[in-house]
Formats: sequence, C-alpha cells, structure tokens
Amino acid sequence: ETAVFQTPNYHVTQVGNEVSFNCKQTLGHDTMYWYKQDSKKLLKIMFSYNNKQLIVNETVPRRFSPQSSDKAHLNLRIKSVEPEDSAVYLCASSPDWGGSSYEQYFGPGTRLTVL
Amino acid sequence: AQKVTQTQTSISVMEKTTVTMDCVYETQDSSYFLFWYKQTASGEIVFLIRQDSYKKENATVGHYSLNFQKPKSSIGLIITATQIEDSAVYFCAMRDLASSGSWQLIFGSGTQLTVMP
Repeated sequence: ETAVFQTPNYHVTQVGNEVSFNCKQTLGHDTMYWYKQDSKKLLKIMFSYNNKQLIVNETVPRRFSPQSSDKAHLNLRIKSVEPEDSAVYLCASSPDWGGSSYEQYFGPGTRLTVL
Repeated sequence: AQKVTQTQTSISVMEKTTVTMDCVYETQDSSYFLFWYKQTASGEIVFLIRQDSYKKENATVGHYSLNFQKPKSSIGLIITATQIEDSAVYFCAMRDLASSGSWQLIFGSGTQLTVMP
C-alpha cells in the first residue's frame, strides 16, 4: 500500500526552466528525504528534513532546494535545470531522525528528462 | 568515510532455487545498522530486512535472511525458494553519519536479480 506519494510521475522540460516536484507521506513520519537515482541506478541522498532541521548533502548544486509546509510534505524545486539533472527523483520518509530504527519508505519517483 | 560495495551487477537463477547476493561495507563505527532494499521494475523501492551489528543472530524475514559475517564486514542477502516476482534490483545500505552531523543511508550500486521459470 503506497503511503509516500509523488507527483508528477514524469516531467520533460528544456534546459534553464524551473521545475517543482511534490511529495507527501501519510505515515505520520518525522523525517523526509530526497534522493537522486541516475541512469546507472546509483542512489544518492540530496536532502534530509524534519520539522526542525534541514540537512543538505554538500554535493548538491544550489539550484536545488527543498520546500516544506509541514512534516507530511517535502517538495523539491530546481531553479534552472541542466542536462545532468535528468534522473529519477525519489522521496522517502522514516519514523525518526537517525535513531536505531532507520528504515525508509519510498515514493514511486519522478522521472525528469531535460532536453 | 563509510562505503557499501556490491560487486555482483547481475545474477540469474531458476525459480524455486536459493540465491545469495553479496555486500561488503566499510565503517569505523563500533555499532552500525545494515539494510537491504528491493527496487522492482516499476521503480518502487521497498525495505526488506535489517541487521543491527550488535546482534549475533542473522536476521530473517519471510524467505529473506542475512548472512552477517562481522569479521569480514560482509552482509549477504539470501533468498530461498525464489519466485518470478523476486526479479528486481537489490540494494544493500548502511546508516552513515554525514559530515553535516546527521544520519543518512548510503547505498551500494545494486544487484539485478532475474528469476527464470
């Protein structure tokens, strides 16, 4: 049963455009994440966020920014997309902030293609 | 920095057999947590099983079990009585303390499992 929802499923855009992806979780979890999965299936953490703290992976370009209205939502904005941003973006949530229980629950992903 | 390595890029097995997928990790922590996730063809990523380093018993959930060899820094995933629907990419992951001071998961590169009828 899906409990982490992402929209859209797919997005195709031109270089330089701004895009925004939505993520909502109905699990009541405290922490949400954004991952990037490249064409080789490599998964890299981009952001970790709970209602108190945002952690940014230092390798993430500044054109990426997370946006949250409450602990159930964490959107991802890309200010000016570039070709290397083409990837699948996965949202996830977990019950705690790095405690012993660190299982994460993933959304279905948003596939971004930059032309 | 901690690291998770999966050297098997793909494995093919016949249905109803047992398969083991390898994973080795590097860590300086005395206590750590290891996970296996499955990504189906639809892209869905699902948590399967977890091993806490301080536990001597290998974790088991359904037809998934782990072969935890701490001296070798190895955490193999064993799937018994494989089914067609087990065909997926399997990721090994470890909890890691990032330079920012927060906990995060780092993933291996994945192993594509194909179960044939």
